[in-house]
Amino acid sequence: GQNIDQPTEMTATEGAIVQINCTYQTSGFNGLFWYQQHAGEAPTFLSYNVLDGLEEKGRFSSFLSRSKGYSYLLLKELQMKDSASYLCALPNTGGFKTIFGAGTRLFVKA
Amino acid sequence: DSGVTQTPKHLITATGQRVTLRCSPRSGDLSVYWYQQSLDQGLQFLIQYYNGEERAKGNILERFSAQQFPDLHSELNLSSLELGDSALYFCASTDGTGGSGSEKLFFGSGTQLSVL
Repeated sequence: GQNIDQPTEMTATEGAIVQINCTYQTSGFNGLFWYQQHAGEAPTFLSYNVLDGLEEKGRFSSFLSRSKGYSYLLLKELQMKDSASYLCALPNTGGFKTIFGAGTRLFVKA
Repeated sequence: DSGVTQTPKHLITATGQRVTLRCSPRSGDLSVYWYQQSLDQGLQFLIQYYNGEERAKGNILERFSAQQFPDLHSELNLSSLELGDSALYFCASTDGTGGSGSEKLFFGSGTQLSVL
């Protein structure tokens, strides 16, 4: 089966850096996604990692360690608009389905 | 705008009723996924279709059913509704079969279902 764990909530200050962790267990690994979801809105794609290491994309970076079943999303220069839930997801688990973690709700304060 | 269209945006109904949620995928996308998101909970996978064929099923209740039509739009039917079915229902599409790990999902804006 598959299992994804993320912290429920985090709080950070505007302009700071925050790291959101995700640990997972899966029988077959096909990469890991991060999505952002503002309250009441649709999730939107942030990043995809399939190889170990860090992928950088502007203020957002995502890291993967397949041997440790671990990923993190790093958000730099936090802005108020970054207040949202961040969802870790495993694609093609058990065939043709993407499974999401419960998400980490990030609060950015002034 | 993701290009995925869901209707209606809001639906209010009573227990015991039946509703149909509609999803039109992005132009050219053959795969459609349905997810349920209850208050303060994560996205729960319900079912996936590829080019009209059911490919994967999650913890979808027997009272729920779905289909994908030849024009690739999909409908999710919820019957004998209960209070606990109140949730945000999302549809997502990809241009692949769902069998490749790198296919990112494009989500519609969701249907907020309230069962009173």
